[in-house]
Amino acid sequence: DTAVSQTPKYLVTQMGNDKSIKCEQNLGHDTMYWYKQDSKKFLKIMFSYNNKELIINETVPNRFSPKSPDKAHLNLHINSLELGDSAVYFCASSQGLIYGYTFGSGTRLTVV
Amino acid sequence: GNSVTQMEGPVTLSEEAFLTINCTYTATGYPSLFWYVQYPGEGLQLLLKATKADDKGSNKGFEATYRKETTSFHLEKGSVQVSDSAVYFCALSDRRDDKIIFGKGTRLHILP
Repeated sequence: DTAVSQTPKYLVTQMGNDKSIKCEQNLGHDTMYWYKQDSKKFLKIMFSYNNKELIINETVPNRFSPKSPDKAHLNLHINSLELGDSAVYFCASSQGLIYGYTFGSGTRLTVV
Repeated sequence: GNSVTQMEGPVTLSEEAFLTINCTYTATGYPSLFWYVQYPGEGLQLLLKATKADDKGSNKGFEATYRKETTSFHLEKGSVQVSDSAVYFCALSDRRDDKIIFGKGTRLHILP
């Protein structure tokens, strides 16, 4: 039983395409996050939702749009993909920052 | 603002060597401190944590002690194994934050 699951695990697509990444957690956590990890392993927060409400919206291009249909799901839609969007995207959830995050296994996005 | 600084890698050790990865933090409040580990091709996993000064977190032979006087949370292991090869992230959360702040990661290579 995977706690935080992301799909797909790998995504290769051409510039200009639109793609979505899905995330689901079965931990009952209230808060979910999207992070981007670059090739140097640096983690940058993109968005967070608490019980379907947007909490964090960092400086991210408008081409990125999160959607949370319920507190167990947080999806990421990316329009007009660019080469610089290539990275690993991680979903995470938390029941309180004192406990830390539970991460998904990541989606490796390659834009060609 | 709050921040985490950890030693740059890569760190290369022989099997059974003693490991220390340094981590210092800057925080205005009393943060919780974490170490996460990322094995190749996987997401981040919580390795250990400490929530108040002088607490010691431990897991899988790794330890770290929350030192308020030196604002440090160094990761140690007495005898490393090849299977410990991974990227290690120091991180903090403050009750005034709405996210966990990560260091840049330290890549560890263990040679057999």
